[in-house]
Amino acid sequence: ETGVTQTPRHLVMGMTNKKSLKCEQHLGHNAMYWYKQSAKKPLELMFVYNFKEQTENNSVPSRFSPECPNSSHLFLHLHTLQPEDSALYLCASSQRGGRARNEQFFGPGTRLTVL
Amino acid sequence: GIQVEQSPPDLILQEGANSTLRCNFSDSVNNLQWFHQNPWGQLINLFYIPSGTKQNGRLSATTVATERYSLLYISSSQTTDSGVYFCAVENSGTYKYIFGTGTRLKVLA
Repeated sequence: ETGVTQTPRHLVMGMTNKKSLKCEQHLGHNAMYWYKQSAKKPLELMFVYNFKEQTENNSVPSRFSPECPNSSHLFLHLHTLQPEDSALYLCASSQRGGRARNEQFFGPGTRLTVL
Repeated sequence: GIQVEQSPPDLILQEGANSTLRCNFSDSVNNLQWFHQNPWGQLINLFYIPSGTKQNGRLSATTVATERYSLLYISSSQTTDSGVYFCAVENSGTYKYIFGTGTRLKVLA
C-alpha cells in the first residue's frame, strides 16, 4: 500500500468510447503525475500537475485529457483512443519544493486495452 | 535530454545467489530512485538515494553521483525478488524523473 490508489484496475474500451481513469493520493503531496508504460518500453511521463496547475504536457495527443480538481485527485479522460494506446497507465505523487525530496510514490496502475 | 541506461537487461538467478544491477546516467541529477515492479505492475519504492549508500534487509544501493552511476545489490535472492527493477533519475532543475529501461530479474527455486 503506497498511499496512491487508482481505479479502475482494468479497462477494456472500444475506439469510440469515452472513459476516465481516476487517481487519488492520501499522502498530502502537492504534485501528481500520469505515466504510460507500453510493453517492453520504459515509463513515459505524460502529464505533471503541481498544486493543481499543469506544468508538463509531454506532447501527449489530445485524445488524452487530464484533470486535476485538487491536489489529492487526478483524472485522465479518454476518448476516441487507438489500439496502440493499450498500455499500463500509472499515477504517481510527490512532495516538491523547499526541502522536500520529490520522492515519487506510485499507484497500482490501470491496465487499458483498446479494441 | 538525460540518458539513463540499466544493465544487464535480463538476469536469471538461482535462489540464494547474489546480484548487482547497474544504472548509468549521462548528466548531473538531483534525485535518484530504485523501484521494483511486481508481476501485477505495481512499482514499489526500494531506495531514494541521490548519493551515498543505504541498506534495507537483503537489498542495498550505492550512488556515486560524481561518476554518474548507481548500483543495486540483491543478496540471497528469493523467488519473490522476481520482476523488473527500474532506476529513475531527476535531472537537476527539471523536477522530472526519467526512467531507465529496467533489468528483468527471474529467480528460480
